[in-house]
Amino acid sequence: NAGVMQNPRHLVRRRGQEARLRCSPMKGHSHVYWYRQLPEEGLKFMVYLQKENIIDESGMPKERFSAEFPKEGPSILRIQQVVRGDSAAYFCASSPQRSEVTEAFFGQGTRLTVV
Amino acid sequence: AQSVAQPEDQVNVAEGNPLTVKCTYSVSGNPYLFWYVQYPNRGLQFLLKYITGDNLVKGSYGFEAEFNKSQTSFHLKKPSALVSDSALYFCAVRVPSGAGSYQLTFGKGTKLSVIP
Repeated sequence: NAGVMQNPRHLVRRRGQEARLRCSPMKGHSHVYWYRQLPEEGLKFMVYLQKENIIDESGMPKERFSAEFPKEGPSILRIQQVVRGDSAAYFCASSPQRSEVTEAFFGQGTRLTVV
Repeated sequence: AQSVAQPEDQVNVAEGNPLTVKCTYSVSGNPYLFWYVQYPNRGLQFLLKYITGDNLVKGSYGFEAEFNKSQTSFHLKKPSALVSDSALYFCAVRVPSGAGSYQLTFGKGTKLSVIP
């Protein structure tokens, strides 16, 4: 039973390029959450999605960042025109339902480096 | 807004000794509390959670945590540390009401080193 799968594990982009991070939730999970971990900081909530719906994107930067979770395929976090400050570890988590008592299951993360 | 503090960036303990990783929280409302562990180059693994009921919660790998409402703390403990427990530990909180009730707010993490 595969866990949450994220790819790529490591991604290097030059300033101004686009970064696409993928997340396949655990089997049977239809709720996906993206978190960002900046150096020396804890994880910060970015966005919560269900299939074909963005439920809460209050943690997403207003510009250059977008997320989707299509009916088929993985969830995608897209960062356009990357800057050095976007360098971070991006974690995806999934859960089977929307419940405050349910723990989320995390992937291994994608470490984005902007050069 | 809720917040979580892990006052120690690093904790060193000798193998076989008891360990404690501290966590305090600040919320308006009753919290749901979680501990996660992150091994190098791995994702976060769930250890345990407090939702309601007994203040002492037992979790994976022999870990336990005690919810103390008066001190707003949720310290992680283990009676006898193993070298393999060396990792980064994160405390997180959810407030089960209002907008964003499913969001986890994390502390900055505590690096635990167990010395053989």
